[in-house]
Amino acid sequence: GNSVTQMEGPVTLSEEAFLTINCTYTATGYPSLFWYVQYPGEGLQLLLKATKADDKGSNKGFEATYRKETTSFHLEKGSVQVSDSAVYFCALWANQAGTALIFGKGTTLSVSS
Amino acid sequence: DGGITQSPKYLFRKEGQNVTLSCEQNLNHDAMYWYRQDPGQGLRLIYYSQIVNDFQKGDIAEGYSVSREKKESFPLTVTSAQKNPTAFYLCASSGTGPLYGYTFGSGTRLTVV
Repeated sequence: GNSVTQMEGPVTLSEEAFLTINCTYTATGYPSLFWYVQYPGEGLQLLLKATKADDKGSNKGFEATYRKETTSFHLEKGSVQVSDSAVYFCALWANQAGTALIFGKGTTLSVSS
Repeated sequence: DGGITQSPKYLFRKEGQNVTLSCEQNLNHDAMYWYRQDPGQGLRLIYYSQIVNDFQKGDIAEGYSVSREKKESFPLTVTSAQKNPTAFYLCASSGTGPLYGYTFGSGTRLTVV
């Protein structure tokens, strides 16, 4: 079946450090891939997405490239801020009508000043 | 403003009691979803509905029930048959499908004592 695997956290960084959160997927066909972010006590918000191989999603300084050959969609940011502290979820959609998003287990990021 | 409202934010119930969590959206979205979030488990799909008067079981539907009598509303009932109901419950909706992202509510934290 379809699934998403994320690196385990927590990830602890100092402000202005480089961030990478790894995400790999298993899917039949060609899924669409997403990163969502969850701030404490809130629901999730869509951060970025990519719908086909080699697409790069970007938003708020975050980027992720859809790599079909390595079935990966790693999240990166060049310089993190304290306000980026949150839980990040990688997700996939199998591009099949009537199906829902499948989420990874989430990775907690903590940024200190 | 358009969005999804989940109520209440915190809910306490005694073991053996059924409890209903509310989810209302004014986004005119066709599809609605319920996820359960536990520490280290990510989001797991409970039920989802693509249109009014129709819904499908997700991965962990046992012990839960839903209804979709109105487009705007998708209440979730946690029954006494649910073995471990204490969790954070998230409701989401999407317009033309998951490809365009979900809009999430801010969640309900249910504690069963």
